[in-house]
Amino acid sequence: QKEVEQNSGPLSVPEGAIASLNCTYSDRGSQSFFWYRQYSGKSPELIMSIYSNGDKEDGRFTAQLNKASQYVSLLIRDSQPSDSATYLCAVIANFGNEKLTFGTGTRLTIIP
Amino acid sequence: EPEVTQTPSHQVTQMGQEVILRCVPISNHLYFYWYRQILGQKVEFLVSFYNNEISEKSEIFDDQFSVERPDGSNFTLKIRSTKLEDSAMYFCASSDQQYQETQYFGPGTRLLVL
Repeated sequence: QKEVEQNSGPLSVPEGAIASLNCTYSDRGSQSFFWYRQYSGKSPELIMSIYSNGDKEDGRFTAQLNKASQYVSLLIRDSQPSDSATYLCAVIANFGNEKLTFGTGTRLTIIP
Repeated sequence: EPEVTQTPSHQVTQMGQEVILRCVPISNHLYFYWYRQILGQKVEFLVSFYNNEISEKSEIFDDQFSVERPDGSNFTLKIRSTKLEDSAMYFCASSDQQYQETQYFGPGTRLLVL
């Protein structure tokens, strides 16, 4: 069974610091990787997608992918209280019309 | 910015009743999905739909579930005979043909089965 694993947290980070969120996946053939943010009672909101090994930066967010280690991470620089949410790692096994497999999410709290 | 919309936002029903959850995907998108999230649990895939056909479904998506695109804009999920364990948040998502891996989620319908 294809699994996506995340540390459920909660992860507490001081405001202005770097938050680091980690995710591992079991299916070595996975091709597409996503980070979603979910506020309590709301729907998942796409933050980043990454498909190739290495880093991808978008504003304060950096996604890192290492397919050999089956590991994907999300760094949030200059953390803000509004970043407090649950961060969901999601994986698609193949390009195309395929399902997202989600991890359980990491709850992040930014401490003012 | 285009977005996925869902109605109703909340639905309360009695066990054994039929419910229909409605979604309007982003207009130029071709791939449609339903996911659900039981309170405190992970988001789970139910079904994907393309070209008026189911392209993939999960073990959760049994005979009591069905999906339909009744017109050019709506995408529906029907639960024929609801069970207590169907209580969850149901999310519709859509993606376009070019970047079909990127799925955009609607705000969800919270279903409570009593």
